[in-house]
Amino acid sequence: AQKITQTQPGMFVQEKEAVTLDCTYDTSDQSYGLFWYKQPSSGEMIFLIYQGSYDEQNATEGRYSLNFQKARKSANLVISASQLGDSAMYFCAMREGRDQAGTALIFGKGTTLSVSS
Amino acid sequence: ETGVTQTPRHLVMGMTNKKSLKCEQHLGHNAMYWYKQSAKKPLELMFVYNFKEQTENNSVPSRFSPECPNSSHLFLHLHTLQPEDSALYLCASSQDWGGVEDTQYFGPGTRLTVL
Repeated sequence: AQKITQTQPGMFVQEKEAVTLDCTYDTSDQSYGLFWYKQPSSGEMIFLIYQGSYDEQNATEGRYSLNFQKARKSANLVISASQLGDSAMYFCAMREGRDQAGTALIFGKGTTLSVSS
Repeated sequence: ETGVTQTPRHLVMGMTNKKSLKCEQHLGHNAMYWYKQSAKKPLELMFVYNFKEQTENNSVPSRFSPECPNSSHLFLHLHTLQPEDSALYLCASSQDWGGVEDTQYFGPGTRLTVL
């Protein structure tokens, strides 16, 4: 079973509109972290936002916010006031809680966002 | 230099060549990672190093050989690769004290083409 599911292969939005990118996850750990990354066509993965499983408030970073619904195991990324530069691939990722260090991220397949003028 | 750097950015090699990918992080982190990103696939973890010790090898073929001489440098040595190894290879680093909030920061990647 997939641990991270991103069901939207592609999303289209006009400049200045808000867009929500979906992410659901599957874990039996009580402690885990959820991350969103942006990957432009240049290839670099850019960290956007983090949400911890015990965080009571939804994370926000500038125009990015994370709609965290723990019971539904969803962690959707909301981008407000879209800009042309937001066109990129977006990945949701999870780090499960373990005692050992060096636990790597589990990534979803990504969603391509296209912003038009 | 800041963040995570990778060289070369692009590499074309034949199946009998030997080449190396280099990654350097300037963030003072303790853990470094190699990921492979093929077209239309999720990122695949290849190797993890924590305090220079390899802590994870995700069933990677032996034609990929990692090396981590110190916490700031990570190499991926390549030999006798196959065309299906063509992909974007991403390096990442993190502070990694074991908490779930540990954020990985990525380099720009090396786009590898095997002929």
